Amino acid sequence: GNSVTQMEGPVTLSEEAFLTINCTYTATGYPSLFWYVQYPGEGLQLLLKATKADDKGSNKGFEATYRKETTSFHLEKGSVQVSDSAVYFCALTPPYGQNFVFGPGTRLSVLP
Amino acid sequence: GAGVSQSPRYKVTKRGQDVALRCDPISGHVSLYWYRQALGQGPEFLTYFNYEAQQDKSGLPNDRFSAERPEGSISTLTIQRTEQRDSAMYRCASSHTGYEQYFGPGTRLTVT
Repeated sequence: GNSVTQMEGPVTLSEEAFLTINCTYTATGYPSLFWYVQYPGEGLQLLLKATKADDKGSNKGFEATYRKETTSFHLEKGSVQVSDSAVYFCALTPPYGQNFVFGPGTRLSVLP
Repeated sequence: GAGVSQSPRYKVTKRGQDVALRCDPISGHVSLYWYRQALGQGPEFLTYFNYEAQQDKSGLPNDRFSAERPEGSISTLTIQRTEQRDSAMYRCASSHTGYEQYFGPGTRLTVT
């Protein structure tokens, strides 16, 4: 079946540090890949997406590249801010399907 | 316009009672999804609708769970004869394209 694995948190960084949150997936065919973010007290929001191999999704300084050969979609940001503190979820939807599969989430805390 | 709304936001019920959770999607969104999220986990897919048609209910855990969207707008997730293991955050999302999902704030269900 389809599944998503993320690095376990929590991840604690100082402001302006480099961020990587690893995400790997298992799926047949070419799924679409997503990162969602949940800020404290809020619902999930789409952060970025990529729908085919080698696509790079980007938003708010975050980037992730769809790597078919390593079945990965790692999230990166060059310089994190305190306001980036949140829980980050990697997710996929299979080809021709709409039943999203989410990873367990990675909590990020950025200290000033 | 308004986002996805869910009601009630919090529900405490006794074991064995039935509960109905409501989702009001963004106006005009074709697709509506239900998820269950345990503490510290990612959302787990339950079911989704395109218009009023239930397209996939493979994630419903057993026959005590059902969902409907009779007029292609508001949806209700019903849990009959609730059990303590049903306690979780129940999230609804809607989408126009099937890719970007807009999540509601969730209903926190506690079964005592």
